[in-house]
Amino acid sequence: GQNIDQPTEMTATEGAIVQINCTYQTSGFNGLFWYQQHAGEAPTFLSYNVLDGLEEKGRFSSFLSRSKGYSYLLLKELQMKDSASYLCAFMDSNYQLIWGAGTKLIIKP
Amino acid sequence: GAVVSQHPSRVICKSGTSVKIECRSLDFQATTMFWYRQFPKQSLMLMATSNEGSKATYEQGVEKDKFLINHASLTLSTLTVTSAHPEDSSFYICSARGFREPYEQYFGPGTRLTVT
Repeated sequence: GQNIDQPTEMTATEGAIVQINCTYQTSGFNGLFWYQQHAGEAPTFLSYNVLDGLEEKGRFSSFLSRSKGYSYLLLKELQMKDSASYLCAFMDSNYQLIWGAGTKLIIKP
Repeated sequence: GAVVSQHPSRVICKSGTSVKIECRSLDFQATTMFWYRQFPKQSLMLMATSNEGSKATYEQGVEKDKFLINHASLTLSTLTVTSAHPEDSSFYICSARGFREPYEQYFGPGTRLTVT
């Protein structure tokens, strides 16, 4: 079967670093996506990993370990505007995205 | 980058009426579009996958006769909520699959439907 799991909610402090983990199980895999969704808005694409390792993009980095079925999104130098839900999703063998429930990130001053 | 528009952004309708939501890919051709529904503080729920020129594939539990999907061109898909009920009130979001690898989905801004 297929499943994907991420924490429901996390809290972090402005200026700090936070890591949001995502674990998944699937027989067919075509990559792992991270999206950001602010309240009341549609998701926006953040990152994509298909090979093992770390992809860095400014303050955001995403890591993938295919053998462990594990990914994380790392956010550095947190800003208040980073308060949002972060959705991880893997693409299965049919190129369909299977979504996690999202992690609500709360940033405190 | 790829842009997807959605119209209307907000709609209020009376119970029993029908509402049509349009999803357009503005600068690329999308053979595959997706329709999602999201209730407050809940995750995205895929309703159906829409392929241009063919019938949509509905997820389990989604009534195809209630949520009519038409994907008549490579840039336009429509979702019609028929005989709307208050429990259909939700945030409806469409997305279009990218045209090259990694085939990420580009989301429209969403439509907030309120049925009174």
